[in-house]
Amino acid sequence: GAGVSQSPSNKVTEKGKDVELRCDPISGHTALYWYRQSLGQGLEFLIYFQGNSAPDKSGLPSDRFSAERTGGSVSTLTIQRTQQEDSAVYLCASSPGTGLKAFFGQGTRLTVV
Amino acid sequence: EDQVTQSPEALRLQEGESSSLNCSYTVSGLRGLFWYRQDPGKGPEFLFTLYSAGEEKEKERLKATLTKKESFLHITAPKPEDSATYLCARRGFGNEKLTFGTGTRLTIIP
Repeated sequence: GAGVSQSPSNKVTEKGKDVELRCDPISGHTALYWYRQSLGQGLEFLIYFQGNSAPDKSGLPSDRFSAERTGGSVSTLTIQRTQQEDSAVYLCASSPGTGLKAFFGQGTRLTVV
Repeated sequence: EDQVTQSPEALRLQEGESSSLNCSYTVSGLRGLFWYRQDPGKGPEFLFTLYSAGEEKEKERLKATLTKKESFLHITAPKPEDSATYLCARRGFGNEKLTFGTGTRLTIIP
């Protein structure tokens, strides 16, 4: 596809369960971001990957959150032992390189019950 | 610390009534100022990037401008389809993250 693809589009999970969210960036884009958007809040930076460099994890809110990017393409955001405050829309974006505009996916709406 | 403040939080305009949205940002070390549009249930859609004071960019009814301490998104003769949340973001030196404001929710009334 031409754009950033995220799956699933919606996820409902029980408190305490682990979840995995997937992002397929635009082909050829070396940079990939994860953001979180809570109701009525701005976009909160979580993590950034650029090529083979060490990721910038400075936005991850706790050690329950982790992300990986395999082969410089697909990325997975994992949240362990989910809490109700993790409920939000998780957005992925990709960019052709450093300093350039980022293109966002449609997001995954996570609801923890 | 990077900060981005947008005003107003919400704006209702009649169709054809021009106005401006404001974005104030941390001035030090600006490497780019970005505007996005976000429709309900969708991801942000890129509109403009501005890099230096005095720069202007236009697209249809929208024009983005940048001064040394703020950016404006001017909307001229808006139509109902311009209704959306408009987000401003800054990128600084030393890292690649975009710091977003909380947005202006724009409603254009037919």
